[in-house]
Amino acid sequence: AQSVTQLGSHVSVSEGALVLLRCNYSSSVPPYLFWYVQYPNQGLQLLLKYTSAATLVKGINGFEAEFKKSETSFHLTKPSAHMSDAAEYFCAVSEVTGGGNKLTFGTGTQLKVEL
Amino acid sequence: NAGVTQTPKFRVLKTGQSMTLLCAQDMNHEYMYWYRQDPGMGLRLIHYSVGEGTTAKGEVPDGYNVSRLKKQNFLLGLESAAPSQTSVYFCASSLIRTSGNEQYFGPGTRLTVT
Repeated sequence: AQSVTQLGSHVSVSEGALVLLRCNYSSSVPPYLFWYVQYPNQGLQLLLKYTSAATLVKGINGFEAEFKKSETSFHLTKPSAHMSDAAEYFCAVSEVTGGGNKLTFGTGTQLKVEL
Repeated sequence: NAGVTQTPKFRVLKTGQSMTLLCAQDMNHEYMYWYRQDPGMGLRLIHYSVGEGTTAKGEVPDGYNVSRLKKQNFLLGLESAAPSQTSVYFCASSLIRTSGNEQYFGPGTRLTVT
């Protein structure tokens, strides 16, 4: 079974500072990995996804993530945080089984951006 | 193009009552999913469907039933609600059965069982 671990349930950064949200995965096959963002009282929105085409993946709103097989990691970064980035972020791994394309989510990281 | 919609947005039930949550998508997606989100636990898959007329159990199916009579709709039922089912429920859909295809999420239904 595949799994995802997000280190740090809460991360706080100053506006303009680097954002780093950590995600490690466990998979017996080459993984497909996703980062989703959830703003308060809303559903999940896709930030970016890794599908083996390139190890550095660029997403929306200036976010990017790098797939590192040797470290089984897919950390999310943004060079300069903005107040509007405050949200909860979920890392997920995709698994195709006999029954469909299922996502396994991490427990989420709440990002707080301070002035 | 509304994407994935869910009704209702909020609901309060008493223990033992029943209700149905409706999910609709207008993207002609084959696959649909129901998740529940609880603090500190991420999203957990309840049931899913790989096409009209098909359903399957996910990670936490107990206490829930689902139906997919039409391709665009996926219903989640609670026959006898329990306080442990207090949660935020999300529906999602995806186009085809490959790992690289992302899921599209609805806005959620916040359910409280007293």
